Amino acid sequence: DTEVTQTPKHLVMGMTNKKSLKCEQHMGHRAMYWYKQKAKKPPELMFVYSYEKLSINESVPSRFSPECPNSSLLNLHLHALQPEDSALYLCASSQERGAQASTDTQYFGPGTRLTVL
Amino acid sequence: AQSVTQPDIHITVSEGASLELRCNYSYGATPYLFWYVQSPGQGLQLLLKYFSGDTLVQGIKGFEAEFKRSQSSFNLRKPSVHWSDAAEYFCAVGDKKAAGNKLTFGGGTRVLVKP
Repeated sequence: DTEVTQTPKHLVMGMTNKKSLKCEQHMGHRAMYWYKQKAKKPPELMFVYSYEKLSINESVPSRFSPECPNSSLLNLHLHALQPEDSALYLCASSQERGAQASTDTQYFGPGTRLTVL
Repeated sequence: AQSVTQPDIHITVSEGASLELRCNYSYGATPYLFWYVQSPGQGLQLLLKYFSGDTLVQGIKGFEAEFKRSQSSFNLRKPSVHWSDAAEYFCAVGDKKAAGNKLTFGGGTRVLVKP
């Protein structure tokens, strides 16, 4: 099974709302990622978790707050977002093979389409 | 820093015709290269990857790619395109950073398939 699931598929929120995006994988992967993708653009890395610890934060604004409760789950908590944050949010996972990680394949979920009003 | 360039933003091809998508990379060490495909509103699906060895790599859905170190290229090809191949294609290079595999993506090539 090489599936990464994401919920919800679509989310519409106001700028004062608090919401969360969820991601789950059961492949035993120990690296998990959040990406943001604007229309007609490639995915941009936001966060990387390795063994449930935040390893990379690509200077993402604090209104995005990631959480990795266990090795299978990854959340992205949203608060006080701006309309320009509207995008497709993709989750991915991969093995975490240390020095060989550059060859690890990332498996992507279908994404959550977020609209901020 | 590594970078990936996909020179063609759009390509239109007739169904049954061959397809070639270009990818050029800039990377200081041995590149680890990936091609992903994304259908509208969907996540990314891995087509193939190159790490070492045979420079001609076979992937899923009848795609193949050739790594040419002298040209810093990793072009994707398919001999006969199907209407279902209409999608966005991303080339990426992997890099081991603090953790995980940090992918640097090219800008993407959108493929349109004419009947």
